[in-house]
Amino acid sequence: DSGVTQTPKHLITATGQRVTLRCSPRSGDLSVYWYQQSLDQGLQFLIQYYNGEERAKGNILERFSAQQFPDLHSELNLSSLELGDSALYFCASSLDGAGNGDTQYFGPGTRLTVL
Amino acid sequence: AQSVTQPDIHITVSEGASLELRCNYSYGATPYLFWYVQSPGQGLQLLLKYFSGDTLVQGIKGFEAEFKRSQSSFNLRKPSVHWSDAAEYFCAVVPSGGYNKLIFGAGTRLAVHP
Repeated sequence: DSGVTQTPKHLITATGQRVTLRCSPRSGDLSVYWYQQSLDQGLQFLIQYYNGEERAKGNILERFSAQQFPDLHSELNLSSLELGDSALYFCASSLDGAGNGDTQYFGPGTRLTVL
Repeated sequence: AQSVTQPDIHITVSEGASLELRCNYSYGATPYLFWYVQSPGQGLQLLLKYFSGDTLVQGIKGFEAEFKRSQSSFNLRKPSVHWSDAAEYFCAVVPSGGYNKLIFGAGTRLAVHP
């Protein structure tokens, strides 16, 4: 158990809908990361937050957004969902995320299925 | 282009045999290097990491990895594989001097025969 929790574990929804994925980091970690794992794209970095502020952005679609709240939990919002958004979404956390290779601990993931 | 390459998509070994999973990276400066393992239906677990210093790194579950600067490689090894090692293994890098985002290879799926 990494100490990172994600809810829900599974999510099934329809095209065009909007969903919210939630992540609670390990106790003491200030940085949260979101990754997407799909069959065609592999594991891709989406976005990083540090202590409530966006720190780095990857290949995140404009339909996707995230935020980190004062209690340090994070939410990833996916809107206008398409079939291709079906994937496993991971959250990870680290102590500071300052670009020094700070170890990231991964949650169990949320499997999103868009029908 | 900057990339992480895991040349082997699938590998099958017999239980008790030795294992080597290959990883090559293409970055100007030596990045921070990681190996993660993903068991079916599970998240990613860190096996080991290399930042600097001794080029042979010991990790959990009996795994080790060797960093070779001249070959831009960071291969993962285990002397004797157990059936429970069947999983998918990912090599990842954090480019030095940048943000802490992990860039993953495509992964190697390991099957273990009894």
